[in-house]
Order: sequence, then structure tokens, then C-alpha cells
Amino acid sequence: QQQVKQSPQSLIVQKGGISIINCAYENTAFDYFPWYQQFPGKGPALLIAIRPDVSEKKEGRFTISFNKSAKQFSLHIMDSQPGDSATYFCAASILDDMRFGAGTRLTVKP
Amino acid sequence: NAGVTQTPKFQVLKTGQSMTLQCAQDMNHEYMSWYRQDPGMGLRLIHYSVGAGITDQGEVPNGYNVSRSTTEDFPLRLLSAAPSQTSVYFCASSYSWGSTNEKLFFGSGTQLSVL
Repeated sequence: QQQVKQSPQSLIVQKGGISIINCAYENTAFDYFPWYQQFPGKGPALLIAIRPDVSEKKEGRFTISFNKSAKQFSLHIMDSQPGDSATYFCAASILDDMRFGAGTRLTVKP
Repeated sequence: NAGVTQTPKFQVLKTGQSMTLQCAQDMNHEYMSWYRQDPGMGLRLIHYSVGAGITDQGEVPNGYNVSRSTTEDFPLRLLSAAPSQTSVYFCASSYSWGSTNEKLFFGSGTQLSVL
């Protein structure tokens, strides 16, 4: 049973638009929720992360929204750029156990 | 700083062969881990280590062995390769685990095909 469910599988957005990727988790003990960005042929790299004591975190064009009661969190990419085209993974962790979502392939068209 | 270095980048094996995927980090990180990445499955944890001499199983450990004799190195051994082990393997490290500093640093991956 996948503990972190991510949607959509793929997303196409026009340049300047907003990209939204959603994740839902099962284990209420998870206490750290990162998003990783992966370019083709590269390993994932941490993009932004949030802990459950806050409902939103913003870093530049990237924002995480967190809804603890619904066990959901999402990544919003404002003013999406072609350079944002990559695969995005959400994750949830507690201590030594980190579970990843299946990934979303984002394509930003110029 | 090289970060997390994985070798080889590509490998083709025949069913039943054994091999070791190498992983080394030069950041003095205590925590190291191995993931496999499969389409539609995301990243799944195989084994991890919280320090030299300490290893534990992750979500999908069957068919793999690990050891951690030094802080820097964390090799992954495939005992008898099977086609189901065809995947992209990533090694990752972190300064520590279970603390506020939980950023994972990933290597560039090893693409393994088992025929």
C-alpha cells in the first residue's frame, strides 16, 4: 500500500502559468514533508520542505500548502518557466523512514 | 566537494550474476541510504545506515545486501540478479536523521539492466 499518493502523473502548463501538484499521506506520524526536483539523468534535489506545525511555506516562486486534518499537501509553482520542466516528488518522513510519491512529470511550454 | 558519487553509471547483468554498486560521500554524513526508482513507483528505500557498522532494512530489501565499514562508503550488493531488479538506483546521504537537518543529497544514479 502506497503511503504517499501523488497526482497528477503528468502536467503540462504554459509559461507564466501556475503548476499545482498534490499529495496525500496515510501515516499521521509523519513529521517532515519535502518536495524533490529531478532533471533527466540527475538525482533528485531538495526543493522545499515543510513541517506540520505550519500551513504554508513559500520560497520564491515555490509554495507548499499543508492541510493536516485532510492529510494532504501540495506544491504550487507560480509563474512557471520552461526551466521548471522536471519530475517532482513529494515525500513524507518520520525518523529514518521516508516515503516518496510516484512523481509528477511537469512540462512547461514556452 | 564531490558530494555523493555512484559507480558505475550503467550496468548490464545476466540473470544470476552478482555485483556491487558503489557509493561514496565526502561530506562526513552519518546517514546513507539506497533507493530504487521505477516508473510509476517513485523512489523506494532498499537499505539505510545511520552510521558506520549500523544498517537496517527499508521498504524493499529482498535480494540486496549492504554493509557500512566506514562513514564514507555504503556499497549495495546484488546477490543473484533478477530481471525484477532492473531499475535506476540512487544512493543518498544526510548529515543526520531524526533531527531538523534532514535534507537528502542524492548521487546521479546507476542504471541497471538485468537480462
